[in-house]
Amino acid sequence: DAGVIQSPRHEVTEMGQEVTLRCKPISGHNSLFWYRQTMMRGLELLIYFNNNVPIDDSGMPEDRFSAKMPNASFSTLKIQPSEPRDSAVYFCASGYLNTGELFFGEGSRLTVL
Amino acid sequence: QQPVQSPQAVILREGEDAVINCSSSKALYSVHWYRQKHGEAPVFLMILLKGGEQKGHEKISASFNEKKQQSSLYLTASQLSYSGTYFCGTASGTYKYIFGTGTRLKVLA
Repeated sequence: DAGVIQSPRHEVTEMGQEVTLRCKPISGHNSLFWYRQTMMRGLELLIYFNNNVPIDDSGMPEDRFSAKMPNASFSTLKIQPSEPRDSAVYFCASGYLNTGELFFGEGSRLTVL
Repeated sequence: QQPVQSPQAVILREGEDAVINCSSSKALYSVHWYRQKHGEAPVFLMILLKGGEQKGHEKISASFNEKKQQSSLYLTASQLSYSGTYFCGTASGTYKYIFGTGTRLKVLA
């Protein structure tokens, strides 16, 4: 079975541009999490969904960040406008909410110049 | 609040043992452990539930002290493949899984 699929794997953009990161969770999983990883701050939870509904977005840094999950098989994380401090690896993970076992995608490495 | 792990980094020789600690300021429902190799995604190792037993995975085991809001990961007779960064993950009843500060482990031949 395919794991969690993220795209793009690498994105280099200029400050002010819009960035859209995509995630396809494992079929059947009812929860989806977006994390951001940097050397300074480690793995930060940005937002998570249960059954496509956003449950907690308190980790979203500011209004420039938004996330959607229009259906069970697709989620997006959008940054508009992007800033250099948004440079990080963004991970999407899916799982069953009550098991605690999350399956991570390979991540999207974002560089904002 | 992000759980705090200690030590931040540890270097071992093959065959040596290590303990990684995870401490939270909030009451915990469960603790999970993940390992991330350089340039890869975190991979789930095990979960410990409130009131549950100590878990084991190969030569890696863990314990969970609910009263102290702490968990420890025990790596026995370490192998080169154990190298990576270990994260504890915690949930406080709402399934909001947040990760600790991480512990970098390097096993030398």
